[in-house]
Amino acid sequence: DAGVTQSPTHLIKTRGQQVTLRCSPKSGHDTVSWYQQALGQGPQFIFQYYEEEERQRGNFPDRFSGHQFPNYSSELNVNALLLGDSALYLCASSLRQGNEQYFGPGTRLTVT
Amino acid sequence: SQQGEEDPQALSIQEGENATMNCSYKTSINNLQWYRQNSGRGLVHLILIRSNEREKHSGRLRVTLDTSKKSSSLLITASRAADTASYFCATDAYGQAGTALIFGKGTTLSVSS
Repeated sequence: DAGVTQSPTHLIKTRGQQVTLRCSPKSGHDTVSWYQQALGQGPQFIFQYYEEEERQRGNFPDRFSGHQFPNYSSELNVNALLLGDSALYLCASSLRQGNEQYFGPGTRLTVT
Repeated sequence: SQQGEEDPQALSIQEGENATMNCSYKTSINNLQWYRQNSGRGLVHLILIRSNEREKHSGRLRVTLDTSKKSSSLLITASRAADTASYFCATDAYGQAGTALIFGKGTTLSVSS
């Protein structure tokens, strides 16, 4: 049974560019959440998707957007990249109303 | 802002010793969870304790929760070098299950042999 998978593992982009990160949830899970983790900090919640809609959003600008597909996989898009967007981006899946969130290995984004 | 705050920020111990980490939070919770992260990789779920529970065990892990003080502690007994990692507590936003998790900054544990 595959856990949460994310792609790519690492990514280097230039300021102003756009990036798309991908996530496949754990089998049986229908809810996907995205987190940003800066170096030396705890993860910060970006948004959560359920039934292909954004259900909750953290304190992130509109440059951060997402999508959930019918198979529950999800994408995180970031436009107009800033140096400060450099971070580890974590995807977590869960059951709706479930308590435990299972995290993927993350995508390390570096913006130069 | 981050809800949970772990203490200490860093902890160094010898193999076989016990490690205790503390977490404080600000608002009402539905449950509190502890996660481990190795070298900036994905988070591994360790244990969940509900707001109506006071203590929970899982293998070498013991978690306590004091909702009156809005605090929790994670005890790792008989530490091993493989326990070297960062440990985070996380609470559910708005006190509702299935919602966003709010993490603290974590405790970095170093276990030397």
